[in-house]
Amino acid sequence: GAGVSQTPSNKVTEKGKYVELRCDPISGHTALYWYRQSLGQGPEFLIYFQGTGAADDSGLPNDRFFAVRPEGSVSTLKIQRTERGDSAVYLCASSLQLQETQYFGPGTRLLVL
Amino acid sequence: GEDVEQSLFLSVREGDSSVINCTYTDSSSTYLYWYKQEPGAGLQLLTYIFSNMDMKQDQRLTVLLNKKDKHLSLRIADTQTGDSAIYFCAELSNSGYSTLTFGKGTMLLVSP
Repeated sequence: GAGVSQTPSNKVTEKGKYVELRCDPISGHTALYWYRQSLGQGPEFLIYFQGTGAADDSGLPNDRFFAVRPEGSVSTLKIQRTERGDSAVYLCASSLQLQETQYFGPGTRLLVL
Repeated sequence: GEDVEQSLFLSVREGDSSVINCTYTDSSSTYLYWYKQEPGAGLQLLTYIFSNMDMKQDQRLTVLLNKKDKHLSLRIADTQTGDSAIYFCAELSNSGYSTLTFGKGTMLLVSP
């Protein structure tokens, strides 16, 4: 079956702009996770959802970052007033239930100029 | 806090075995994972082990877990050039959270 998909695969934007990154989880997976991977680092947790609600958003770096999952499937990560330090690969993962194996998408490479 | 440590680089010859090591600090970890990342790609799940197991074998992959020392290793038998990638160790905590904590990754370079 289809895996986790993310769009766009690459995004170049200017400092101060607003961006939206989309994630389509594996069909039937109730849990969805966002991670950020900076160059040379492992992925770091941002936020995860169980169904439609954000179960834990403690990894979001500041209030410029926000994520939604209105119908319990597709999720959008929104970044306001982008900064050069936001440049990274944003990875989405999903799992059938919480505490189960997470499957990752290909990521969105964000570059803020 | 939680921390996962890995050596940064490993170089082997094709046909040799590779052993990638990882240490973690969260004693309440339930599952430990190995993911593979090729250049420009996302994370591919390789294998995982439940915390009450000592060993798991899956074709060319062998995972060893020493829970007392909080040490995890991944052995790849008969390493091929296609195994060249970055390998991440990750732990899933049982402390009320469902997030993975990753190491910085080990770059495996397999030369012909």
